[in-house]
Amino acid sequence: EVQLVESGGGLVQPGGSLRLSCEASGFSFSSYWMHWVRQAPGKGLEWVSRINTDESSASYADSVKGRFAISRDNAKNTLYLQMNSLRAEDTAVYYCVRDQLHYADYWGQGTLVTVSS
Amino acid sequence: ESVLTQSPGTLSLSPGDTATLSCRASQIVNGNFLAWYQQKPGQTPRLLIFGASNRATGIPDRISGSGSGTDFTLTITRLEPEDFAVYYCQQYDNSLTWTFGQGTKLEI
Repeated sequence: EVQLVESGGGLVQPGGSLRLSCEASGFSFSSYWMHWVRQAPGKGLEWVSRINTDESSASYADSVKGRFAISRDNAKNTLYLQMNSLRAEDTAVYYCVRDQLHYADYWGQGTLVTVSS
Repeated sequence: ESVLTQSPGTLSLSPGDTATLSCRASQIVNGNFLAWYQQKPGQTPRLLIFGASNRATGIPDRISGSGSGTDFTLTITRLEPEDFAVYYCQQYDNSLTWTFGQGTKLEI
């Protein structure tokens, strides 16, 4: 059974940093591109970032470019999102998502990030 | 960067009706890399349709996707109570990024 379990969310002050993790199981993690997608409270889905299988390529939404960094450890079956210079508008549930030929076939349950003083 | 615009924002229907949801892209969606998701309150999104018209595993044939180029449609016939949710379209583009539409709320 495919499972994606996010962790690392919480309350952080504006300007602060947070590192999210997503532990994958039930599939060959190293064979799949992975993404982070977020959803602000009561709002729609927003794509955040993507990484390919060997970390040689990553993409970011304009809203997080230069502040967030996606990475992965295939030996640990884990995806990461390092978030720096956090802003109030980054408050959201962050989902770890598996990419199946350019669409999302599995989603984690999400981890809530709240940026507030 | 391509933008996806979904309409209507809210669709009010009754069980047994047919729902027609639209997703329009500001640029041609290459390869028809267009997907639809359903999200119920408190739940994670669920994949319904990929490649514009292919049903995901376990999705009933009451739910269908169509379209190409810039105009795509999700059709749900014989609406059941569990179909009332928010629906999002999503595209993949050549810059290796994803874009989501703003969502359509299907309500009773």
